[in-house]
Amino acid sequence: GQNIDQPTEMTATEGAIVQINCTYQTSGFNGLFWYQQHAGEAPTFLSYNVLDGLEEKGRFSSFLSRSKGYSYLLLKELQMKDSASYLCAVSDGNAGNMLTFGGGTRLMVKP
Amino acid sequence: DAGVIQSPRHEVTEMGQEVTLRCKPISGHDYLFWYRQTMMRGLELLIYFNNNVPIDDSGMPEDRFSAKMPNASFSTLKIQPSEPRDSAVYFCASSLAGVDDTQYFGPGTRLTVL
Repeated sequence: GQNIDQPTEMTATEGAIVQINCTYQTSGFNGLFWYQQHAGEAPTFLSYNVLDGLEEKGRFSSFLSRSKGYSYLLLKELQMKDSASYLCAVSDGNAGNMLTFGGGTRLMVKP
Repeated sequence: DAGVIQSPRHEVTEMGQEVTLRCKPISGHDYLFWYRQTMMRGLELLIYFNNNVPIDDSGMPEDRFSAKMPNASFSTLKIQPSEPRDSAVYFCASSLAGVDDTQYFGPGTRLTVL
């Protein structure tokens, strides 16, 4: 089985930087995804990490440390539209690579 | 491509009734997933198909739930009989190359069972 932990809620200010952490425990790690979900909408893909290190994509970056079972999503130059839930999902190679989603972190961006 | 299409977008029914949710995946995607999302349990995988064949249904909560994929462009999730605790948003998603490939989600069906 898997255990994925994320903070439930975070608040940040427009223009600032915020880091959303995700820790996981899995016996057969095979990759980690971050999805963004606005209220009332479907999740949309943000990033994928399978090797250690930082993946940068515009204002968003995602970091992975497999030895620590840890990832974070970094959002720079926050905009009001970044207010959403951010879901961490882990692929388990011992479960047919199926994804298990964390509970999500609800980010509120204030002016 | 129009993306993943789901219908209906909203469904309100009474306990005991049969509910059928429908999904059209992105053309060319070989994998289709059904998820359920609630405040209490988050996003849960119910079942997924590869090339129209059900591969893992371990997430299906009970025998009241069933899913089919008669062809590459259509899938259904059926609940019979429905219960109030089935109230949730049901998402269908598809991916091109595998369960660990980027999944594209449909808009979801918000189900309310009274």
